[in-house]
Amino acid sequence: DAKTTQPTSMDCAEGRAANLPCNHSTISGNEYVYWYRQIHSQGPQYIIHGLKNNETNEMASLIITEDRKSSTLILPHATLRDTAVYYCIVRDRVNSGGSNYKLTFGKGTLLTVNP
Amino acid sequence: NAGVMQNPRHLVRRRGQEARLRCSPMKGHSHVYWYRQLPEEGLKFMVYLQKENIIDESGMPKERFSAEFPKEGPSILRIQQVVRGDSAAYFCASSPGGQESTRGYTFGSGTRLTVV
Repeated sequence: DAKTTQPTSMDCAEGRAANLPCNHSTISGNEYVYWYRQIHSQGPQYIIHGLKNNETNEMASLIITEDRKSSTLILPHATLRDTAVYYCIVRDRVNSGGSNYKLTFGKGTLLTVNP
Repeated sequence: NAGVMQNPRHLVRRRGQEARLRCSPMKGHSHVYWYRQLPEEGLKFMVYLQKENIIDESGMPKERFSAEFPKEGPSILRIQQVVRGDSAAYFCASSPGGQESTRGYTFGSGTRLTVV
């Protein structure tokens, strides 16, 4: 099961910032938070990931609370092409232990950017 | 630097036939993950492989499904005796494994399997 909870859907006006929240209250100290998105029928696309500090790249910013129990993905100027399902993921250690992890996807947030 | 390559993009099989889906990871990536996405549903983890090893197959159906990642060549997801319920999009991802990758896991464009 996914370790994160997200709202089912959100709307955003084109050109405005989209702020997508995620709760990961059971996250441990050395686990990263990953964000992916899936535009209809395409393969999931990596957006950003972070551990403790806020992160920014060409696509988005990631704000992680000090207690690391939640985070927010920010798309600073949403466009119609940003309409997608956004997934917040904390990796799962695989059954065999060691340092191998896998991504377990939850239901994500359907972000609809409106003109 | 090519991304994760999956082929074929679309595959049509009759019930009872075998389906073979191929995935070539990104250059330098030795870890491969397969996911299935049924129509209107989320991505479900199937199997995680390293070269010549299955690391985690907890999401694989017990029968008819198998996966391999040989020392040379692409990873193969094989579905024997396909049924209509196998119709789905199958996505492959790769990573370098080990410590955190700066770009996370990279996904391919998927193979859409249709069983008629």
